[in-house]
Amino acid sequence: DAGITQSPRHKVTETGTPVTLRCHQTENHRYMYWYRQDPGHGLRLIHYSYGVKDTDKGEVSDGYSVSRSKTEDFLLTLESATSSQTSVYFCAISGSRGASGGNTGELFFGEGSRLTVL
Amino acid sequence: QKEVEQNSGPLSVPEGAIASLNCTYSDRGSQSFFWYRQYSGKSPELIMFIYSNGDKEDGRFTAQLNKASQYVSLLIRDSQPSDSATYLCASEADDYKLSFGAGTTVTVRA
Repeated sequence: DAGITQSPRHKVTETGTPVTLRCHQTENHRYMYWYRQDPGHGLRLIHYSYGVKDTDKGEVSDGYSVSRSKTEDFLLTLESATSSQTSVYFCAISGSRGASGGNTGELFFGEGSRLTVL
Repeated sequence: QKEVEQNSGPLSVPEGAIASLNCTYSDRGSQSFFWYRQYSGKSPELIMFIYSNGDKEDGRFTAQLNKASQYVSLLIRDSQPSDSATYLCASEADDYKLSFGAGTTVTVRA
């Protein structure tokens, strides 16, 4: 299994509170991604990173921010959670290695973090 | 319009039959295509990828790509109950981001 861990795995919070989800990898992969998965929508890209401190927006980035201060950690923050952000969040890393490694396109996913915003 | 569309499910097939899954994509710049399998409550895992027009076979799975028609398919031969899962189609353009379809849920009846 690819060395990806997400934390927390489950969280219930209230509207308006900040939430941070953490993704940690031990594979030294350059590319990391945050997706959300909702019924009828499949996986939708929130943000991704192509290196330390290098991030970019995906298709559903509103209300989310990310940070990557180290190769191994990619944080997703909801500054003020809303009920529409109730979802399962998946972190993924690409099939590449090293600081300048190419991206094979294959994604390895973490186990997911189920977030409920009341 | 969603970038990747999959045929609506759920799809129910008897054990031993062929399950056929279809996917279309809108971005003609897409170069690579992937099929992921996701069991209920689990994370997606890659089962096939295809870059070139034509067929690609891997065991009981065959992926087919037709770039002119912007069409990708996955055939599962000799379907087994363990193939019961949601199958996600994904496309990749040049910018290292995958776009996923909504998925097709397959149930194999014993």
